[in-house]
Amino acid sequence: EIVLTQSPGTLSLSPGERATLSCRASQSVSSSYLAWYQQKPGQAPRLLIYGASSRATGIPDRFSGSGSGTDFTLTISRLEPEDFAVYYCQQYGSSPPKFTFGPGTKVDIK
Amino acid sequence: QITLKESGPTLVKPTQTLTLTCTFSGFSLSTSGVGVGWIRQPPGKALEWLALIYWDDDKRYSPSLKSRLTITKDTSKNQVVLTMTNMDPVDTATYYCAHSWERCSSTSCYYYGMDVWGQGTTVTVSS
Repeated sequence: EIVLTQSPGTLSLSPGERATLSCRASQSVSSSYLAWYQQKPGQAPRLLIYGASSRATGIPDRFSGSGSGTDFTLTISRLEPEDFAVYYCQQYGSSPPKFTFGPGTKVDIK
Repeated sequence: QITLKESGPTLVKPTQTLTLTCTFSGFSLSTSGVGVGWIRQPPGKALEWLALIYWDDDKRYSPSLKSRLTITKDTSKNQVVLTMTNMDPVDTATYYCAHSWERCSSTSCYYYGMDVWGQGTTVTVSS
């Protein structure tokens, strides 16, 4: 069973800075089934990235995803005030067939 | 425009069965590649995937909760229903449904993520 680990747990940055979030899988996962979500307090999650690197509809290009195998990264090139939130990675594995979310990385204002 | 909305009881007693309904619009659950999933989030904690049903009635469950979950769809009503038996206070959470879709060829599949979510419904388990 695949376990996702996200680091750091909390990232304290200032607006305008670059954020690099890591998602590591306990075994190799298909990039086709790796997604990233953003969640703000009191709101439902929002899809940012699918297929490890494709931006979802309406997502600004300051958000980018990369990686393969067991290591994936979400990068926010320049933090805007609205980007301070919790970010989750998600993967789908076939053995057993299930979706898994990581524990999340909180990006807060320094 | 795709929308989803969860409905169900806000309070259930321990050992009771929870029934949640996801009513959606803007897509058909008979379209190839489309699925509707359920995800929950206990207060202050991370997201936890529960179940997903596909357009062809294929169903996936969280292995840790599989014995307690049943997911069904009513395509004519545009609804997906999740039942969870033997509720416990640790099941207190916000429950979300979400639209997902994937595209498969003869050799591989590509997943486009859970791209639209409902607003969530809060369920408290308490006597």
